[in-house]
Amino acid sequence: QKEVEQDPGPLSVPEGAIVSLNCTYSNSAFQYFMWYRQYSRKGPELLMYTYSSGNKEDGRFTAQVDKSSKYISLFIRDSQPSDSATYLCAMSDSRAGNNRKLIWGLGTSLAVNP
Amino acid sequence: GAVVSQHPSRVICKSGTSVKIECRSLDFQATTMFWYRQFPKKSLMLMATSNEGSKATYEQGVEKDKFLINHASLTLSTLTVTSAHPEDSSFYICSARRRFDQPQHFGDGTRLSIL
Repeated sequence: QKEVEQDPGPLSVPEGAIVSLNCTYSNSAFQYFMWYRQYSRKGPELLMYTYSSGNKEDGRFTAQVDKSSKYISLFIRDSQPSDSATYLCAMSDSRAGNNRKLIWGLGTSLAVNP
Repeated sequence: GAVVSQHPSRVICKSGTSVKIECRSLDFQATTMFWYRQFPKKSLMLMATSNEGSKATYEQGVEKDKFLINHASLTLSTLTVTSAHPEDSSFYICSARRRFDQPQHFGDGTRLSIL
């Protein structure tokens, strides 16, 4: 079983739709949770960064962490064609010894159609 | 903001050449920098982690003599691919992190093609 599972999609939605992206994980020690957006031939761009459980909102983006279910989500409201990209979840535990390196999902490819 | 600049963005060179890639944190000091490799339609694969002033820590299976990493200052890390061969062709991405409890911020990557 992989430490982080993420459906690769592709996911195709009409402009204006609410998009829900998810990752599940198996390591209960994970404390830091991130969502990155990656456009083709570019580096990942940090969208959301959450510590432990709870919700976080930033503009059209909302991140949720449910540690009891080992499940994280990213919601995109009023999706735009410019949101078309690959969305990667990443997480790390709180141990200092491993430099808190990130464990990545495979990424979900999203297409928002005008 | 947290801006990471990576240079060059594209390299095409002959087999046997050594290639140096630079990664700079422009508006913050990075105690730790990371180097990744990404294959088409795949997620990021961590190659090595470097802390300023220390030797890099390489992931299992990554040849330290092939991929030389230098982290000489809090704003600059370099990756040198020595005697590159076609199988080294890939997308290389760096990231930088202020502190252990802060997220990584990424450069825009370097597309390396070895002919």
